Amino acid sequence: GQSLEQPSEVTAVEGAIVQINCTYQTSGFYGLSWYQQHDGGAPTFLSYNGLDGLEETGRFSSFLSRSDSYGYLLLQELQMKDSASYFCAVRGVENSGYALNFGKGTSLLVTP
Amino acid sequence: NAGVTQTPKFQVLKTGQSMTLQCAQDMNHNSMYWYRQDPGMGLRLIYYSASEGTTDKGEVPNGYNVSRLNKREFSLRLESAAPSQTSVYFCASPRSGSAYNEQFFGPGTRLTVL
Repeated sequence: GQSLEQPSEVTAVEGAIVQINCTYQTSGFYGLSWYQQHDGGAPTFLSYNGLDGLEETGRFSSFLSRSDSYGYLLLQELQMKDSASYFCAVRGVENSGYALNFGKGTSLLVTP
Repeated sequence: NAGVTQTPKFQVLKTGQSMTLQCAQDMNHNSMYWYRQDPGMGLRLIYYSASEGTTDKGEVPNGYNVSRLNKREFSLRLESAAPSQTSVYFCASPRSGSAYNEQFFGPGTRLTVL
């Protein structure tokens, strides 16, 4: 089976940097993805790490260490609009249709 | 290019009533998925379809049926709704070339069963 652990809530100040961690247990690993979801909205794809290291996309970066079964999402220069839930996810195997298996999500609150 | 569309956006049912949630994608991908999202539970897979005409159960299929009549459309049916099915339902499909890691989600259907 697959399981992912991430903090339930994080609070940070506008302009600051925040890191959201994710640890996973999976029998087969095909990469770690991150999704953002605003209240009342749909999840939207942010980033994907298939190999160890850092991937940068604008203010957002994502890191993966396969040996530690660990990854994180780094948000820099936080803006109020970054207040949302963030989910890490791993892809399943063929007998699950390669569906994503999600963590329970981290609610990020950005304060002035 | 709308990506993934879902109808309806909101629905209130009484226990025992039935309904069908509709989903369509215009990305020409073979795979489509139905997830439900409950507070504090993340997204859980209900059913998936790897290709037109095929469907398989996911993590939480009880109380649901699905139909994949063509490549574009994948519907989810609740035959006899129960309060435990109060949830937000999302349909999704992968972006071609992303090895299934990047999925596009529809806007969701917010269902309340009284």
